[in-house]
Formats: sequence, structure tokens, C-alpha cells
Amino acid sequence: EPEVTQTPSHQVTQMGQEVILRCVPISNHLYFYWYRQILGQKVEFLVSFYNNEISEKSEIFDDQFSVERPDGSNFTLKIRSTKLEDSAMYFCASSEAGQGARDEQYFGPGTRLTVT
Amino acid sequence: DQQVKQNSPSLSVQEGRISILNCDYTNSMFDYFLWYKKYPAEGPTFLISISSIKDKNEDGRFTVFLNKSAKHLSLHIVPSQPGDSAVYFCAASDTGNQFYFGTGTSLTVIP
Repeated sequence: EPEVTQTPSHQVTQMGQEVILRCVPISNHLYFYWYRQILGQKVEFLVSFYNNEISEKSEIFDDQFSVERPDGSNFTLKIRSTKLEDSAMYFCASSEAGQGARDEQYFGPGTRLTVT
Repeated sequence: DQQVKQNSPSLSVQEGRISILNCDYTNSMFDYFLWYKKYPAEGPTFLISISSIKDKNEDGRFTVFLNKSAKHLSLHIVPSQPGDSAVYFCAASDTGNQFYFGTGTSLTVIP
């Protein structure tokens, strides 16, 4: 069964450093998403991406965040200058057709980001 | 801003009995609801969904009930199995493509 993959599984970085989290969505999917879950808290939407541009973003997704689909398979989340409070589990998701949330979103296993 | 709430952080049920997980929401614009299941070290996995035009949706052992007037939905698992032990997240969306998740309920099914 096709699945969303994410690398690395765990990333440790120092405050102020840039990190890039990578995701490979399911190949025929058109919508891509990033979510995060701070330890012990709810899963929070960050951003959705369709047709090579951001379609929706939350208040969390400020100027330090950016997303990119650099080639036909990868979808990346860049955090420019990490802060301690960026420590969280980051989940990538993808969905098939152009109905966004009305389609089942398939989640990757997550990248645990630890900012020290 | 907790638009979706799961007030029970944990639930224990005997194998074979019914598990009932509850979720409340505050935004009356939500019209699509989903349940996700999450095992440790894995991402959330879609379980079942319901549109606001329905009040019940069933898929095998899983049934989701929606009470729009009470802004409440519940997930019933019957019979519960040990493999159902996981964290269950309720999620909701309005016309956009963003999900609002609850904080999750950790279900333990005791053999």
C-alpha cells in the first residue's frame, strides 16, 4: 500500500539554526500538508499546498516557515531560525483529489524536531 | 483556541466490550468530521468520517454518531480488541482544507 514517508525520523538542532524536514507524499496525490504536535498537545495544522503554491496556512505558519516542492516527489518544510518552542513532532500528509479536507489525508510517520 | 475538544484523555475497556470515545466542537461552520487513530511512533491513520448531512456512519466495528444540535460526535468500537489500543483523535473541518484536531483520547483495551 502506498504511504507517505518522512526523513529524518529525528532531528536535533541548535536554536537559531535552519532545518529542512523532508516528505515524500503518495505519488498521485495533489494536496500536501504539514502539521505539528507539541508533546502532550493537539495536532495543529500548519499549511496546505496545491498546484505549487500555498492554499491555506495557519497563524503558526509565520515568516520563519516555508514550504517547497523542489521536484516531482519531495515536499519540504523549512524553518529558517529555529526556536526552542519549535520542538515538536512534524507530520506531513497528502490527499488525492482537489477537495482538500473532504478527502482522506494520509499521514507520514512524523519527524521529531528537538531544538536545544 | 480549542475548537475541537476531547475531554477524556484516557479510556480503558475490556476486550469484547464497547468503547465509546467522545468529541465536542464549538464552531458551527464545521461540516465534516473525522476520526484518526495513532499508534506510538507512527503518524495518524484515518479511521472513519462523517458529513454533517448524516447523523451516523458505520464501517465494520466502527460507528461514528453526529449530534449537530449538541455539537457532539462519538466513535463507537464494538467489539473492542486489544489491537484497538491507540490514541484516537477527532478532527473537524469547515469549507477549507485544514483539519482542527482534538487533543486525543488514549484507549486501552484490556485482554
